[in-house]
Amino acid sequence: AQKITQTQPGMFVQEKEAVTLDCTYDTSDQSYGLFWYKQPSSGEMIFLIYQGSYDEQNATEGRYSLNFQKARKSANLVISASQLGDSAMYFCAMREGSGGNNDMRFGAGTRLTVKP
Amino acid sequence: GAGVSQSPSNKVTEKGKDVELRCDPISGHTALYWYRQSLGQGLEFLIYFQGNSAPDKSGLPSDRFSAERTGGSVSTLTIQRTQQEDSAVYLCASSLVSRLDPTIPTEAFFGQGTRLTVV
Repeated sequence: AQKITQTQPGMFVQEKEAVTLDCTYDTSDQSYGLFWYKQPSSGEMIFLIYQGSYDEQNATEGRYSLNFQKARKSANLVISASQLGDSAMYFCAMREGSGGNNDMRFGAGTRLTVKP
Repeated sequence: GAGVSQSPSNKVTEKGKDVELRCDPISGHTALYWYRQSLGQGLEFLIYFQGNSAPDKSGLPSDRFSAERTGGSVSTLTIQRTQQEDSAVYLCASSLVSRLDPTIPTEAFFGQGTRLTVV
């Protein structure tokens, strides 16, 4: 079964506006970690932000914030003040705890295009 | 080295040949992952090594695929009798996960990948 679901294959946003990339996950574990990665056209994978399942506050890293809604099992990435350099693929990932595999599984990704 | 190193960066092979892809993780990282990424697609999980535990091989697509990790460091992904559908970028990542506690915020660091083309 798919553990990480990203329902938006592609998204467009105007430069300087905010954009939300959706991610929902499926786990029966209480302990898990959620990650977002950016993959520009160069192919490298760049870590952006992390949210632990026990964290009570939403994670923030500069212009990136994670809208963590545990009851809904969603971990949406919010990018504020979009820049042209934000155009890339964005992947949501999860690492589960002791009840399941400890590996890291990724969603299908969302391709974000920032328009000038 | 400072980062995850993969070799070769590009590999073109003939259908039916065997290939070996190498991954040097960051020193001290106990967890190592292999993923496959087809053009424009997401990351398909292949295999996961964690310390001395038995590897999680649940993502290997067929018995033509195997991987080992020697001495808890370098890993080799082997594809036997390659097929054209094996063409993809193979990504390796490592992370510092000393316990099975995913709430420790240890992100995975990725190598640049090996682009495999089977002709």
